[in-house]
Amino acid sequence: KQEVTQIPAALSVPEGENLVLNCSFTDSAIYNLQWFRQDPGKGLTSLLLIQSSQREQTSGRLNASLDKSSGRSTLYIAASQPGDSATYLCAPQGGSEKLVFGKGTKLTVNP
Amino acid sequence: KAGVTQTPRYLIKTRGQQVTLSCSPISGHRSVSWYQQTPGQGLQFLFEYFSETQRNKGNFPGRFSGRQFSNSRSEMNVSTLELGDSALYLCASSTDSYYEQYFGPGTRLTVT
Repeated sequence: KQEVTQIPAALSVPEGENLVLNCSFTDSAIYNLQWFRQDPGKGLTSLLLIQSSQREQTSGRLNASLDKSSGRSTLYIAASQPGDSATYLCAPQGGSEKLVFGKGTKLTVNP
Repeated sequence: KAGVTQTPRYLIKTRGQQVTLSCSPISGHRSVSWYQQTPGQGLQFLFEYFSETQRNKGNFPGRFSGRQFSNSRSEMNVSTLELGDSALYLCASSTDSYYEQYFGPGTRLTVT
C-alpha cells in the first residue's frame, strides 16, 4: 500500500527566499506524480504533473523533480511571495489506488 | 474552458439522513474521481468513474456510492449519515485515469 510522507509539515519563511518541499513515497511503481496547492477551505489547484519517465518539470517559479527509484520528489519554489502561502500536497498515482496524498506542507511566506 | 463544478457547496444534514453530491467535469473529460478530506485522515480516494463505469473503488463502506451519466456528470450518494462523514468532498476530472487531475472547489458536508 502506497504511503506518502511530506517534510516539513509546516514552514515559515521571509518573502524572497528560495525553498524546497520534500515528498517521499514507498511504492515506486507509479505512473506519475502531481503537486497541488490548497488554500484554506478550498479545492486543490494543480501545479505540476511529472510523468514517471521524466526527471523534472518547470512552471514559472516552480520546479519539481522526481526520482522514482528512490521514491522521492521535491518542489522548489524560487523567490517566494506572500501569495504562495498555502498547503502544498504531493500525490503519486499508480495502480488502483489513484492519487495517494501526503498530509501536506503548510507554507507561510511573511512579507 | 470552465473548470470542475460541484454542487452544493455547503450542506448540513442530520445523522441517519442521506445526501447526494454532484460534480460536473471539465468539458471533454471522461474520468471523474471522488475524494474525502478530513483533518484526521487527510485526502482519501473514494471511487473513479469512466464512461459511466466504476473503474476503481477506495476502502469505504457500502454507504458510499456513486454513478456517472452519459454526459460525464457524476453524483455520489452517502446513505445513513454518521457524524464521521463530516468532511470536504472533492471531485476531480481528467481526460483519462493517468492524466493530470483537475479538482473542483468541493462540497463541505456537516453531519449533526
